[in-house]
Amino acid sequence: AQKVTQAQTEISVVEKEDVTLDCVYETRDTTYYLFWYKQPPSGELVFLIRRNSFDEQNEISGRYSWNFQKSTSSFNFTITASQVVDSAVYFCALSEGLTGGGNKLTFGTGTQLKVEL
Amino acid sequence: GAVVSQHPSRVICKSGTSVKIECRSLDFQATTMFWYRQFPKQSLMLMATSNEGSKATYEQGVEKDKFLINHASLTLSTLTVTSAHPEDSSFYICSARDSGGANEQFFGPGTRLTVL
Repeated sequence: AQKVTQAQTEISVVEKEDVTLDCVYETRDTTYYLFWYKQPPSGELVFLIRRNSFDEQNEISGRYSWNFQKSTSSFNFTITASQVVDSAVYFCALSEGLTGGGNKLTFGTGTQLKVEL
Repeated sequence: GAVVSQHPSRVICKSGTSVKIECRSLDFQATTMFWYRQFPKQSLMLMATSNEGSKATYEQGVEKDKFLINHASLTLSTLTVTSAHPEDSSFYICSARDSGGANEQFFGPGTRLTVL
């Protein structure tokens, strides 16, 4: 059975600090996809990244970066120079078995990030 | 880009009434859609998988007679909460798989249901 663990329930940082959100996953499939979503107070999920199990390259997109390590089953997310607008709940999710990641998602419990001035 | 809409975005109803929520893929065909539920300050939990032209597959613990799903076309799935009660108050969010593309899935904006 698939499982996603986000051990950090809430993180508070001061603006301009770097912050890393942890995600550990469990799956028996060799083909799977990992995702990160941002959920602001409005509730709508904002897609951040999709990564397949065969691509362990780290990725950087502006202030965001992701570190995928199959050896530790982790897919961590770092925000550099955090801003108040980054305040939200962030979810890590896993989809098994279907190329493209279009299968049902198992979500972690989410990490509430608060960025203060 | 791929867009999924939900209607209504917010609904308040009295206990005992039924509420229908629509999930539409606007610019792609979706033979499969997923319905998730999110209680306040909790994660998203899959309720059911909706398949066009066939019966939905429900997750363990989700009452299929209470949460009726109809996926009658390639762009529309509906979730009907029958005889709603206050404990059904939640954020319902759907996603749709782009069957004709790369099998990516896209989320709708969600529907906030409040049952009085």
